[in-house]
Amino acid sequence: AQTVTQSQPEMSVQEAETVTLSCTYDTSESDYYLFWYKQPPSRQMILVIRQEAYKQQNATENRFSVNFQKAAKSFSLKISDSQLGDAAMYFCAYRSESWSSGGSNYKLTFGKGTLLTVNP
Amino acid sequence: NAGVTQTPKFRILKIGQSMTLQCTQDMNHNYMYWYRQDPGMGLKLIYYSVGAGITDKGEVPNGYNVSRSTTEDFPLRLELAAPSQTSVYFCASRPGQGRRGYTFGSGTRLTVV
Repeated sequence: AQTVTQSQPEMSVQEAETVTLSCTYDTSESDYYLFWYKQPPSRQMILVIRQEAYKQQNATENRFSVNFQKAAKSFSLKISDSQLGDAAMYFCAYRSESWSSGGSNYKLTFGKGTLLTVNP
Repeated sequence: NAGVTQTPKFRILKIGQSMTLQCTQDMNHNYMYWYRQDPGMGLKLIYYSVGAGITDKGEVPNGYNVSRSTTEDFPLRLELAAPSQTSVYFCASRPGQGRRGYTFGSGTRLTVV
């Protein structure tokens, strides 16, 4: 079974600085997707960025970028020019495919999350 | 607004009571999911559905039941509520095969006392 580990329960960063959140995962699959989700106090789960395992190029979305190291099974999130609105819980997630009586399905496995505080 | 709508947002249940958490989406998504999020933990899959009339168990299905009579609705039923079911419940959906991600509802905070 796939596991996702976020080793940093909490992180803090000064406004306008850069912070990196760590994520490692365990899998025997060769093709998969990885995601970072943001959960602000409103509880809404917001997709930040996704990475396809077969792509060597690291994904970027504005101030958010990832460092994807497939061999090391590492998927870190870098937030540049941090803003107060970036303060939230961040979850790393792995998407696997499974088969059942209902057919094919993709399942997300989440890490325990990293609580990011942004200091003004 | 298009999206996933969950009701209620908050609920307190007594041990042994039953209730249904409602989830509806207006995006015509085939796949729907129920997750629970315990304090300090990530989300864990309870049940999922790949289309109307088809449901299957996730990681933590015990104590729950689901049905999917329409594409839009995917209610989660709690029978004989227990304190261990105190959690935040999220419903999510996605359209089908492809790269598009999940759309999550805003969650239901359930406390069983």
